[in-house]
Amino acid sequence: KQEVTQIPAALSVPEGENLVLNCSFTDSAIYNLQWFRQDPGKGLTSLLLIQSSQREQTSGRLNASLDKSSGRSTLYIAASQPGDSATYLCAVPGSSNTGKLIFGQGTTLQVKP
Amino acid sequence: EAQVTQNPRYLITVTGKKLTVTCSQNMNHEYMSWYRQDPGLGLRQIYYSMNVEVTDKGDVPEGYKVSRKEKRNFPLILESPSPNQTSLYFCASSFAGGQYEQYFGPGTRLTVT
Repeated sequence: KQEVTQIPAALSVPEGENLVLNCSFTDSAIYNLQWFRQDPGKGLTSLLLIQSSQREQTSGRLNASLDKSSGRSTLYIAASQPGDSATYLCAVPGSSNTGKLIFGQGTTLQVKP
Repeated sequence: EAQVTQNPRYLITVTGKKLTVTCSQNMNHEYMSWYRQDPGLGLRQIYYSMNVEVTDKGDVPEGYKVSRKEKRNFPLILESPSPNQTSLYFCASSFAGGQYEQYFGPGTRLTVT
C-alpha cells in the first residue's frame, strides 16, 4: 500500500532564505509526482508535475526533484517571500487506475518578513 | 481559462436535508474525482469517474452519491447529510487517469449541524 510522508510538518523561515521541503513514498512504481500549494481554507494549486522518467522540473523559483529508487522528492524554493506562506502537498497516483492521488500530510510554511 | 469550478463554495445545512454540490470542468477531461479533506486525515477520495456513465467508489463513499451524465459535470449528492460529513470538499479532473496532471476546484466548505 502506497504511503506518502512529508517532513517537516511545519517550517518557519525569514524572508530570502532558500529552503527544501521533503516528500517520501513507499512504492517506487509511480507514474509521476505532483506538488501542490494550498492556502488556508482554499483550493489546491498545482505547482509542478514530475514524470517518472524525469529527474527534476523547474518553474520560476521552484525546483522539484525526483529520485524514484530511493522513494524521495524534494521541492526547493529559492529566495523565499512572505507570499510563499502556505501548505505544500506532494501526491502520487494510487496503484489502481482510479485517478486517485495519494497525498502526504503537507508541510506548512511560514515566511516571515 | 482552463478550470474546475464548484458550487456552492460555502454551505451550512441541517442533518437530513438533501444537497448537491456541483462540479464542472472545461478541459474535456475523461477522469473526475471527489475528495474530502479533514484535519489529521488529509485528502481522501470519495468517488471517481473514468468517463460518462462510469463511476466507482473511492476510499470513503458511504453517505455520498455521484452521477456522470455529461463529460464536463460530476455532481456530488448527499441524500441525508450528517454532522460527520462536515468537511472541505474538492472536485478534481485529469485527461485520463492518475498518470496525468490533476486539476482541482476551489473547494466547498460544508457544515452540517
